[in-house]
Amino acid sequence: AQKITQTQPGMFVQEKEAVTLDCTYDTSDPSYGLFWYKQPSSGEMIFLIYQGSYDQQNATEGRYSLNFQKARKSANLVISASQLGDSAMYFCAMREVSTNAGKSTFGDGTTLTVKP
Amino acid sequence: ETGVTQTPRHLVMGMTNKKSLKCEQHLGHNAMYWYKQSAKKPLELMFVYNFKEQTENNSVPSRFSPECPNSSHLFLHLHTLQPEDSALYLCASSQDRERGGLDTQYFGPGTRLTVL
Repeated sequence: AQKITQTQPGMFVQEKEAVTLDCTYDTSDPSYGLFWYKQPSSGEMIFLIYQGSYDQQNATEGRYSLNFQKARKSANLVISASQLGDSAMYFCAMREVSTNAGKSTFGDGTTLTVKP
Repeated sequence: ETGVTQTPRHLVMGMTNKKSLKCEQHLGHNAMYWYKQSAKKPLELMFVYNFKEQTENNSVPSRFSPECPNSSHLFLHLHTLQPEDSALYLCASSQDRERGGLDTQYFGPGTRLTVL
């Protein structure tokens, strides 16, 4: 079974508007972390934001926030005030404490296009 | 240099060639990883080195041979590759703890490999 599911292959958003990228996950480990990465066309995978399974509050980093709904096993990324430079591929990833150190599972990604 | 660097950024090789990819991390981390990203496929973890020991080898063909001489450097030696090995190869590093941890993985810019 796929552990990370990103159901939106592609998304469009108007510049300056907010957009939500969906991510659902599957794990039986009570301790895990969720990560979002941005990958521009240049290829580099850029870390954006992290949410721990025991964190009481949703993570925020500048214009990025993570809408963490533990019971629903979802960790959606919200980008506020979209900019043209936000156009990229976005990946959701999970690391479980119980697995071998280092093992991350990535979703298939969502391509975000910001329209001027 | 800061973060994680990879060389070369682009590589074209024939099936009979031998080449090496290099990764260097300047973050003081103790774990390094090789990932393969093919078109229309999720990111695949290939190798993990924690504390300089290989702890993960996800059934990678023997034509890929990793080497981790110290905690800052990681190599991927390539020989007799196939055209289907053409992909973006990403290196990452993190600061992992012996009792398990969820530290963020930071990625390099990748090497885009084309096998003719």
